[in-house]
Amino acid sequence: EVQLLESGGGLVQPGGSLRLSCVASDFSFRTYGMVWVRQAPGKGLEWVSGISTDNTYYVDSVKGRFTISRDSSKNIVYLQLNSLRAEDTAMYYCTAARGYLDYWGQGTLVSVSS
Amino acid sequence: EIVLTQSPGTLSLSPGERAALSCRASQSVNSNFLAWYQQKPGQAPRLLIYGASSRATGIPDRFSGSGSGTDFTLTISRLEPEDFAVYYCQQYGGSPRTFGQGTKVEIK
Repeated sequence: EVQLLESGGGLVQPGGSLRLSCVASDFSFRTYGMVWVRQAPGKGLEWVSGISTDNTYYVDSVKGRFTISRDSSKNIVYLQLNSLRAEDTAMYYCTAARGYLDYWGQGTLVSVSS
Repeated sequence: EIVLTQSPGTLSLSPGERAALSCRASQSVNSNFLAWYQQKPGQAPRLLIYGASSRATGIPDRFSGSGSGTDFTLTISRLEPEDFAVYYCQQYGGSPRTFGQGTKVEIK
């Protein structure tokens, strides 16, 4: 069974940093793009960042603050969150993508507050 | 950026009824790269439809997608109790990828 297990969320002050991790299992990790999607409390879905084999992508609101990377030897994708703002508060979902978002993890919660 | 507008915001129906959810794009979606997701409270979304009309693995055939260009529809032929949820469309033909704001299907 495909599994995506996120970790690394938590409560952080504005301006702080977090690193989210997503461990993937039971699918061909190398053949999928990996994407982070977030959902603010009570709100809709927002595509945040994606990584293919050789390219990275970001929504404008996180460019220069967030960095996505992947370690295909370990089947892990990371999202480094720097200079966090209150509006970054959300559940962050790791997804495996073939353009569309095929598999989803259960999410890790990031709360930015003083 | 392609803006996706879903309507209605909320759909109140009874089990057994047919549901039709609309997703309209601000510009044509390349190659009909349009997907639909279902999200239940406290759960992650799950993929229902990709390529505008292809059902994902394990999705019941009461779910169907149609449309092209800028107008897309998700149809649930006969609502089952487990289908009451929020539904999102997403385009993956342009950058950045974008989602609609969601349609909630609630029990009438």
